[in-house]
Amino acid sequence: NAGVTQTPKFRVLKTGQSMTLLCAQDMNHEYMYWYRQDPGMGLRLIHYSVGEGTTAKGEVPDGYNVSRLKKQNFLLGLESAAPSQTSVYFCASSYWIGARWTPLHFGNGTRLTVT
Amino acid sequence: AQSVTQLDSHVSVSEGTPVLLRCNYSSSYSPSLFWYVQHPNKGLQLLLKYTSAATLVKGINGFEAEFKKSETSFHLTKPSAHMSDAAEYFCVVSEALGTGTASKLTFGTGTRLQVTL
Repeated sequence: NAGVTQTPKFRVLKTGQSMTLLCAQDMNHEYMYWYRQDPGMGLRLIHYSVGEGTTAKGEVPDGYNVSRLKKQNFLLGLESAAPSQTSVYFCASSYWIGARWTPLHFGNGTRLTVT
Repeated sequence: AQSVTQLDSHVSVSEGTPVLLRCNYSSSYSPSLFWYVQHPNKGLQLLLKYTSAATLVKGINGFEAEFKKSETSFHLTKPSAHMSDAAEYFCVVSEALGTGTASKLTFGTGTRLQVTL
């Protein structure tokens, strides 16, 4: 049981390049999330998904797209990278039980630098 | 709208002394509250959670937190710090996202705990 796995761990992009971050979870969780972490700002929600085939915007969605074609995978895309997207990206998953959400399970992060 | 304020960005304690990391929150509803820990270059790990049961919540590694509704606080404590406790700690409050059941977590800006010999 690997939990939440993010690939790649590190990436350097030039402005205008595109890339996709992959998140995979093996816990059969319904809900998946992408966060970005910047110094002094905590984690901010980019996009999230409540199930296969569904996605929704979080608080900082601009410049990102997501897809959830399979329940276990949640992809985050940057179509045209900008220096402001330099950050550490975390994927997380959770499920609903007993009228409460379970705490989020986090991956180890992807450190992205855009030059 | 919900919010979380971690009152200290950095806390330094000596090994063996008590730890207090302060957190205040605001929420329109009965909140679920969490503390997460992040060690360098790692993801976030759940320390403990409050979900309207007992107000004193015990977590892993000897940490505990007390939910005080009248003070809108959820401070994290540990009686005796260990070197391995050095990390960043995040206080988190959750609420529903729309009519679905996904949760939106609002994170505090973090408190970096330093433990010295």
